Amino acid sequence: QVQLVQSGAEVKKPGASVKVSCKTSGYTFSSYGVTWVRQAPGQGPEWMGWINPSDGDTKYAQKFQGRLIVTTDTPTTTAYMELRSLTSDDTAVYFCARAYASGLMGYWGQGTLVTVSS
Amino acid sequence: DIQMTQSPSTLSASVGDRVTITCRASQSISSWLAWYQQKPGKAPKLLIYKASSLESGVPSRFSGSGSGTEFTLSISSLQPDDFATYYCHRYNTYGTFGQGTRVEVK
Repeated sequence: QVQLVQSGAEVKKPGASVKVSCKTSGYTFSSYGVTWVRQAPGQGPEWMGWINPSDGDTKYAQKFQGRLIVTTDTPTTTAYMELRSLTSDDTAVYFCARAYASGLMGYWGQGTLVTVSS
Repeated sequence: DIQMTQSPSTLSASVGDRVTITCRASQSISSWLAWYQQKPGKAPKLLIYKASSLESGVPSRFSGSGSGTEFTLSISSLQPDDFATYYCHRYNTYGTFGQGTRVEVK
């Protein structure tokens, strides 16, 4: 069965970076994209970026340009999301999701809480 | 950027009620619209894609309609498991979510 399992919760200081992993299984990794979405406390989801593991093509939401890097490691079928220059506004649960080329997300990871606090 | 606006933000209903949630796009998105259900502490769950296609395994009481800029999600007869928050999501490479509609017990 399709599974996306994310790394554990993180606590970071302002200005630091965080890297969250998303280990996938149960499907052909290169046949689907991986999207990253975050959700701040009490807020709706926010689309961050997408990567095509087959060719490394990426797309980022404008507000994260220059601060967000999404990558994949095909041998381990794992996707990564790195967010730099963290502020308290980045405190959120971060989700990875398997995505079609259209961007539609059907399977999601369990979420990773990232807390940014001094 | 395309903005997605949902209404209402909160909806009070009883088991058995018919419920309708509206989502408007700031410009035409054709039928690139999905609906998700989310419960506290959980990831969103896909209900509807391409505006009106029911995801496999989702009960038939859920339905979606619309195209262009106006979309609706309907629940024909609300069940206890349906009390949750619902989000519309425009996709087609880039994505934008609506702000959500919380369906609560009346």
